[in-house]
Amino acid sequence: DVKVTQSSRYLVKRTGEKVFLECVQDMDHENMFWYRQDPGLGLRLIYFSYDVKMKEKGDIPEGYSVSREKKERFSLILESASTNQTSMYLCASSLRDRGWQNIQYFGAGTRLSVL
Amino acid sequence: EDQVTQSPEALRLQEGESSSLNCSYTVSGLRGLFWYRQDPGKGPEFLFTLYSAGEEKEKERLKATLTKKESFLHITAPKPEDSATDLCAFNSGGYQKVTFGTGTKLQVIP
Repeated sequence: DVKVTQSSRYLVKRTGEKVFLECVQDMDHENMFWYRQDPGLGLRLIYFSYDVKMKEKGDIPEGYSVSREKKERFSLILESASTNQTSMYLCASSLRDRGWQNIQYFGAGTRLSVL
Repeated sequence: EDQVTQSPEALRLQEGESSSLNCSYTVSGLRGLFWYRQDPGKGPEFLFTLYSAGEEKEKERLKATLTKKESFLHITAPKPEDSATDLCAFNSGGYQKVTFGTGTKLQVIP
């Protein structure tokens, strides 16, 4: 079974702190994604990566950056956390370009509170 | 702009009461229409992919269908463990990313 592991389930940070969210997948998937999920807004794509050291902006990249130094690991970085970044963050992975077979596998999520 | 709209936002059913969830889409170059289920406190889990109008997929109490404008997730005789948020999503163009709808929160009462 595909396993996507997010390093923390719950995280509380202060405004202005630098925050790292880590995600590891064990199925050798090329693609990895970071989403945030907010009530009424659904899942919104922040960044995705289709290969090591490659990244593409999603729909809401402002205030975030990412790092992918190894194929299995994708990190989301909040350079200076703000209260409007309080949210559920979800990491996902998928095989590259299977078209309609492009199934994404999700981690359990990290609920981040910025105070 | 490509988008999906899910309805209703929330649905409360009695155990055994069958119903359907709707996902309306306006997507040019649809490469796949996906259904995911998200249990409380967990990440979404893949249910189905549909590609062409007229296609149907089934899994236990769930059946997904696709037309040229919408997809339905039919739930037959639901149980309390079906309480979750069902998400519709699409993949279009040459990109790897998938765009999600806002979901239908399903509650099944014993």
